[in-house]
Amino acid sequence: EVVLTQSPVTLSLSPGERATLSCRASHSVLRYLAWYQQKPGQAPRLLIYDASNRASGIPARFSGSGSGTDFTLTISSLEPEDFAVYYCQQRYGWPPITFGQGTRLEIK
Amino acid sequence: EVQLLESGGGLIQPGGSLRLSCAASGFTFSTYVMSWVRQAPGKGLEWVSTIFGNGDSTYYADSVKGRFTISRDNSKNTLYLQMNSLTAEDTAVYYCAKGGSGADVLFEYWGQGTLVTVSS
Repeated sequence: EVVLTQSPVTLSLSPGERATLSCRASHSVLRYLAWYQQKPGQAPRLLIYDASNRASGIPARFSGSGSGTDFTLTISSLEPEDFAVYYCQQRYGWPPITFGQGTRLEIK
Repeated sequence: EVQLLESGGGLIQPGGSLRLSCAASGFTFSTYVMSWVRQAPGKGLEWVSTIFGNGDSTYYADSVKGRFTISRDNSKNTLYLQMNSLTAEDTAVYYCAKGGSGADVLFEYWGQGTLVTVSS
């Protein structure tokens, strides 16, 4: 099973700042890594797939990078609506499909 | 527009059974992988099960294997999750999710979720 470890657990930033979220895999997942955003009371939403491809309708301030075991989600300039929980997910070594434990991005 | 609408959740006693449904629209249902993902209260996301478009291939998390059964009716554009021998650990919001094209298990679209509470 591929274990995904996200860091930090909580990230406190202000609107306009740059956010950098990390996801580390226990085994290589090549580039089969996705990022999801979840706001309270809502379903997750796909942001990034295959490490660096933005999903349909996702603003350009969201970008992803990495391959193998180390991945990064960057939000270039935080908007108020970006404060949420972010999950990474791998689909290379499945089953099982696995998620990271999440990073909570909160307003400082 | 892709729409996924789950139903069937509710309060159920330990050891009981429940069947969840997910009505899909806005895409050619039979050609896409579909999955169930759950989220316990205040916790992260957990993959539960996946079924390929023709229904012949199914996959389960170890935590539900032997108790849950995923199925689909392509004539009704509906995904199901039959849940048996439920325990408190199965309490969660259950989401259905549409995969990518072919056999891709990327979760492109999600339903709003249905809450399952297992309690006496």
